[in-house]
Amino acid sequence: AQSVSQHNHHVILSEAASLELGCNYSYGGTVNLFWYVQYPGQHLQLLLKYFSGDPLVKGIKGFEAEFIKSKFSFNLRKPSVQWSDTAEYFCAVNAVSGGYNKLIFGAGTRLAVHP
Amino acid sequence: DARVTQTPRHKVTEMGQEVTMRCQPILGHNTVFWYRQTMMQGLELLAYFRNRAPLDDSGMPKDRFSAEMPDATLATLKIQPSEPRDSAVYFCASGFHPVAGANYNEQFFGPGTRLTVL
Repeated sequence: AQSVSQHNHHVILSEAASLELGCNYSYGGTVNLFWYVQYPGQHLQLLLKYFSGDPLVKGIKGFEAEFIKSKFSFNLRKPSVQWSDTAEYFCAVNAVSGGYNKLIFGAGTRLAVHP
Repeated sequence: DARVTQTPRHKVTEMGQEVTMRCQPILGHNTVFWYRQTMMQGLELLAYFRNRAPLDDSGMPKDRFSAEMPDATLATLKIQPSEPRDSAVYFCASGFHPVAGANYNEQFFGPGTRLTVL
C-alpha cells in the first residue's frame, strides 16, 4: 500500500536557522507530490507541488523542495526560517488506487521557531 | 476569492446525539474529501466524492458515519450516534480532477469543524 513517512515529528529551530524536513513515500508509479502547511488554528494550505519537470520546486514564502526519484524523497527546505513559520507541515503524495486518485498524507512535522 | 466553507465551525454535543457537518466546495470543483484530524491519528481520509459519486469511504466507520452530496454545492457528513472518541477537527476539501490517472490538482481545504462530544 502507498504510504508517506515524515521522519521528524517535532523540530525546534531558532530564527535564521536553515530548515530541512524529510519526506519519503512508498509508491512505484508516477507520483504527484505536495507540501501543505497548517498554521496554528488554521486549515491546510498548499506550499508547493511537483508534477513533472525540474525536480527542484519553489513554493511560497521562500520554501523549496527537491524530488529525488531514486530515493523516493521530497524533502522540504528553507534557508532561513522566521518565527512566522511556526506551523505543522504535511507531505502528501497522490497515488492512483482502484482507478482513481487520492492524496495520502504523512503524519506531519510540527515546527517551532524561537525568536 | 473562492473558498471552501464549512458549518458549523464549532460543535459541542452530548454522546448519543446526531451531528451533521456541512461543506460547500468551491464552485466548479468536482472532487470533495472529508478528513478527520486528531492529535493521536493525524489527518485521516474519511470519504471521497467525485462528480457527487462516492468513490472511497473505507476510512469511515460505517455503523455511525455517513457522507452524502445532495447536490454539487453541498456535502454532508453525519455521525449518529456520536461518541466521545469522535471528538476531532473535521476538514472538508475540494478540488478539480478531470479524469482518473491524470495529474492531480491540489486540494483546497475548508476551515474545519471542531467537534467535541461529551
